[in-house]
Amino acid sequence: QQQVKQSPQSLIVQKGGISIINCAYENTAFDYFPWYQQFPGKGPALLIAIRPDVSEKKEGRFTISFNKSAKQFSLHIMDSQPGDSATYFCAASVNAGNNRKLIWGLGTSLAVNP
Amino acid sequence: GAVVSQHPSWVICKSGTSVKIECRSLDFQATTMFWYRQFPKQSLMLMATSNEGSKATYEQGVEKDKFLINHASLTLSTLTVTSAHPEDSSFYICSASPAGGNQPQHFGDGTRLSIL
Repeated sequence: QQQVKQSPQSLIVQKGGISIINCAYENTAFDYFPWYQQFPGKGPALLIAIRPDVSEKKEGRFTISFNKSAKQFSLHIMDSQPGDSATYFCAASVNAGNNRKLIWGLGTSLAVNP
Repeated sequence: GAVVSQHPSWVICKSGTSVKIECRSLDFQATTMFWYRQFPKQSLMLMATSNEGSKATYEQGVEKDKFLINHASLTLSTLTVTSAHPEDSSFYICSASPAGGNQPQHFGDGTRLSIL
C-alpha cells in the first residue's frame, strides 16, 4: 500500500510553462513534507519543504501548496526551464520509534522542452 | 551547508567479494544516517537507519548479515555488502540528518554497485 501517492508519473512541459506535481497521503501523523529533485546518477537534493500548519511556501520559482483537510500537497514550478528536467519525489516524514522516517512517493519524471 | 559525501561513486567487483561504501557528513554532525537502495526509474527504498554508537535498525526484508552498517562517529557511517552477488547490483544512497529536532535528510550522490 503506497502511503504517499504521487502523480503524474511523467510530465512534459514547454519552457516557460508551469509544472505541477501532486501528492496525497492518508496518515495524519505525517508532520513534514519535503520535495526532492534527483538528476540521473545523483542522489536526491532537498528542494523545498513544508509543515502542515502552513498552506503555502514559496522559494524562488518553486511553490508548495498544502491542503491539510484534503491531505494533499503539490509542487508548482513556475517558468519551467530545461535545466529543471529531472525526477521529483514528494515525501512525508513521520516518527518511527526513536527515529524519523521518510515515506516516499514513486516519483515524477519531468521533461521541459526548450 | 549540509553536504554529504559518499564514496566510492562507482564500483565493479566479482561475485563473492565484500564491498564497503562510506557516507560522511562534511559540515555537520549527523546523529542519524540512512541507507537507501534505488532501482532504475524507481523510488528510494529505505534499507536501514543508523544512529551513532548503536546498532542499526533494518527495514523488513533487509538482511542485516548481508548489509552490515556501522555508524562509529557523528560524521561517518559505512555500509558493507558482504559476499555480494549480481542481484545486489544497484544504486545505494546514504543520507544524514543533523542533530536536534525535526531535521531534513541530506543525501549523498550515491554509489553505483555492479557485481559481475
